[in-house]
Amino acid sequence: TQLLEQSPQFLSIQEGENLTVYCNSSSVFSSLQWYRQEPGEGPVLLVTVVTGGEVKKLKRLTFQFGDARKDSSLHITAAQPGDTGLYLCAGGGYGQNFVFGPGTRLSVLP
Amino acid sequence: NAGVTQTPKFQVLKTGQSMTLQCAQDMNHEYMSWYRQDPGMGLRLIHYSVGAGITDQGEVPNGYNVSRSTTEDFPLRLLSAAPSQTSVYFCASSYSRGRTFHIYTFGSGTRLTVV
Repeated sequence: TQLLEQSPQFLSIQEGENLTVYCNSSSVFSSLQWYRQEPGEGPVLLVTVVTGGEVKKLKRLTFQFGDARKDSSLHITAAQPGDTGLYLCAGGGYGQNFVFGPGTRLSVLP
Repeated sequence: NAGVTQTPKFQVLKTGQSMTLQCAQDMNHEYMSWYRQDPGMGLRLIHYSVGAGITDQGEVPNGYNVSRSTTEDFPLRLLSAAPSQTSVYFCASSYSRGRTFHIYTFGSGTRLTVV
């Protein structure tokens, strides 16, 4: 069974700070996705990375896929209260069911 | 642009009762799936379907049944509810991007409490 671990489990920061959250596995994934989930809602896809070493930017969010395709990171620059939520990573590929990590719960205080 | 619609939003059941969680999508996606989300455990796959008439088990299928008679609908049935099935349930539909990975759209969830 492929497992994904995420760290930290909880993170509380002040508005304007930078942060990085991590997603790690002992398994190789053909692709990895990051989602943000707000209370009472389903996860919303932020990005998919498919190539080892790939870096994608989405405004203030930077996503990186590890060279060995076993890990990924999400870096947020100048966090805002609107970034508050549960960040989930998921690994898988075509023909595979995606496996989800337990998430990092981020709180950005004004 | 409804996407994935789940009903009900909230439900309380007594142990032993049965019920059906409804899921409908209007994006003509072939692939649909059901997950449960419990604190600290992420989303766990219950059942999935790769098209009408085809279903298969996920990681935690015991106590749940599914059917897929149409592309649009994928109901999840709890046969005899148990307190261990207290959870938030999410339905998702997806399509493949270049036969490389799936793009998922999730519903807003059903919060189920079994007492």
